[in-house]
Amino acid sequence: DAGVTQSPTHLIKTRGQHVTLRCSPISGHKSVSWYQQVLGQGPQFIFQYYEKEERGRGNFPDRFSARQFPNYSSELNVNALLLGDSALYLCASSLLRNTEAFFGQGTRLTVV
Amino acid sequence: EDQVTQSPEALRLQEGESSSLNCSYTVSGLRGLFWYRQDPGKGPEFLFTLYSAGEEKEKERLKATLTKKESFLHITAPKPEDSATYLCAVHGSSNTGKLIFGQGTTLQVKP
Repeated sequence: DAGVTQSPTHLIKTRGQHVTLRCSPISGHKSVSWYQQVLGQGPQFIFQYYEKEERGRGNFPDRFSARQFPNYSSELNVNALLLGDSALYLCASSLLRNTEAFFGQGTRLTVV
Repeated sequence: EDQVTQSPEALRLQEGESSSLNCSYTVSGLRGLFWYRQDPGKGPEFLFTLYSAGEEKEKERLKATLTKKESFLHITAPKPEDSATYLCAVHGSSNTGKLIFGQGTTLQVKP
């Protein structure tokens, strides 16, 4: 069974640039959520999408945006990158909105 | 305010030395408490879901329990391969699908 897949696995960007991270959920899962995890902390919620609509947004600036496609895959976009955006970005898929979430391996973003 | 607190932050055990990790939570209307294991540089791996006080789940050397205010992850006779960070999470009250995580407990098991 294919789990949650994220791409790319690692990424280095310069301050001010834009980045797009991609996620494919487990087959049959309709909900995708995005989290940011900095070293030594638990993941912080960014967005949840369910049936292609945004259903939840965390406390992140408008530079962060996301969308979900008809095949339930998702993209996270971050504009005007700051050094503080350096983190592990995690995608999680779940069958429904409040069922168990299964995480991908993450995308390690480094902003220099 | 919804909150999850884990203790201790770090735990060192000898192989075979059993112990417990604690997760205290504050949330209105619990809709699931989740335990994950996370290896360095990787995404969290799902372990257990608990829904109601008194519920218990087991998997190999791990057993998770739940009360109205906290959850415990009991590790029996751990092995070095159990070394990882263990994360606890709950769904927030706002019904946005948001998982609220604790900061994790980093477990090191020495042979």
